[in-house]
Amino acid sequence: GAVVSQHPSWVICKSGTSVKIECRSLDFQATTMFWYRQFPKQSLMLMATSNEGSKATYEQGVEKDKFLINHASLTLSTLTVTSAHPEDSSFYICSAHGGGNTGELFFGEGSRLTVL
Amino acid sequence: AQKITQTQPGMFVQEKEAVTLDCTYDTSDPSYGLFWYKQPSSGEMIFLIYQGSYDQQNATEGRYSLNFQKARKSANLVISASQLGDSAMYFCAMSASGSARQLTFGSGTQLTVLP
Repeated sequence: GAVVSQHPSWVICKSGTSVKIECRSLDFQATTMFWYRQFPKQSLMLMATSNEGSKATYEQGVEKDKFLINHASLTLSTLTVTSAHPEDSSFYICSAHGGGNTGELFFGEGSRLTVL
Repeated sequence: AQKITQTQPGMFVQEKEAVTLDCTYDTSDPSYGLFWYKQPSSGEMIFLIYQGSYDQQNATEGRYSLNFQKARKSANLVISASQLGDSAMYFCAMSASGSARQLTFGSGTQLTVLP
């Protein structure tokens, strides 16, 4: 079946640095991917919708200059957390729709970011 | 706006018994999709079951079934013959028609299966 892969799974960085997380659809093309953030013991909150070949759509309260999204191809979307701070520490997870009318929505494995 | 409500922060069930996880939703969209995901401690989101708003029959996938009551706006997940490996966080989620599967999630229910 379709698979979405995220990299890296874990990342630890110093405050003030930038971190890039990749989300790849391995055997299907995804014109749209979604980025979610999940704080400990909380639910997933949609951050932004990544659109291939155009600007991402951000949810209210999400800083687009801080969370840069690039969807340069039909199989890759990247999320860059710029000038990361400890409060950005979270679990970031992407998803992509595999097409069709049924529940063919696939999630990546997630990326756990810790900012020191 | 869409809203998903899961009122059970935690549930316990004895191994081999059935358990129902509650989910209610609110939407003004005539067409929508309802999902259940399992999230073990590793963090991955595992798709369990999907129900479309116009589906006439309740969805079933192995030991999982979705008790869809449209008039009551509820989409409860029933897990039959619980196994120790079912212990995890369970999320109910909804997508609106035309949203290309942008999901709104409930707060989740932590299920613990007891031996």
